[in-house]
Amino acid sequence: KNEVEQSPQNLTAQEGEFITINCSYSVGISALHWLQQHPGGGIVSLFMLSSGKKKHGRLIATINIQEKHSSLHITASHPRDSAVYICAGQNSGNTPLVFGKGTRLSVIA
Amino acid sequence: SQTIHQWPATLVQPVGSPLSLECTVEGTSNPNLYWYRQAAGRGLQLLFYSVGIGQISSEVPQNLSASRPQDRQFILSSKKLLLSDSGFYLCAWGQGASSGANVLTFGAGSRLTVL
Repeated sequence: KNEVEQSPQNLTAQEGEFITINCSYSVGISALHWLQQHPGGGIVSLFMLSSGKKKHGRLIATINIQEKHSSLHITASHPRDSAVYICAGQNSGNTPLVFGKGTRLSVIA
Repeated sequence: SQTIHQWPATLVQPVGSPLSLECTVEGTSNPNLYWYRQAAGRGLQLLFYSVGIGQISSEVPQNLSASRPQDRQFILSSKKLLLSDSGFYLCAWGQGASSGANVLTFGAGSRLTVL
């Protein structure tokens, strides 16, 4: 069974801090998604990666295939980064995502 | 460009009443379509997914059903709502690909409260 585990469950940071959210997954997952869910509930896809590292603005996602582990980093965090960050694994293009339980991030000014 | 529409955004329904949530995608053909639910304080749960017209896979047995009458239309229904059906429902689409995984795009969500 494909499983995705995320940590921490909750995270509070001061503005400007470097933030790391971790995700571990089981065998059978070939791609890892990072999603951001805003307080209103809307979800946006941040990254999809199968290897290496991707960067978009202050967000960086890395994945280690051998260790079956991915991290999402936020540099120079800001209160507007406050959201739930969700890690999800996918086996192939036609299979649905398997979600982690999410990390609730609060960045305090 | 591709867009996804989901409605209604908010719904308050009595127990035992029917439900219909609709999702449509524009700007692509033969998308994979998904219905997810997020109950209060819980993570996202896959309810149904579809890789083509009339093809529905159910992940969790429950009080809900899904249909895909057209290529870019995905409907979530219930004949009689239960209190436990309350939650935030999200439709998503992804481009089905034999080449590998693909990015999902989510609708804005429908918040259902069953009283």
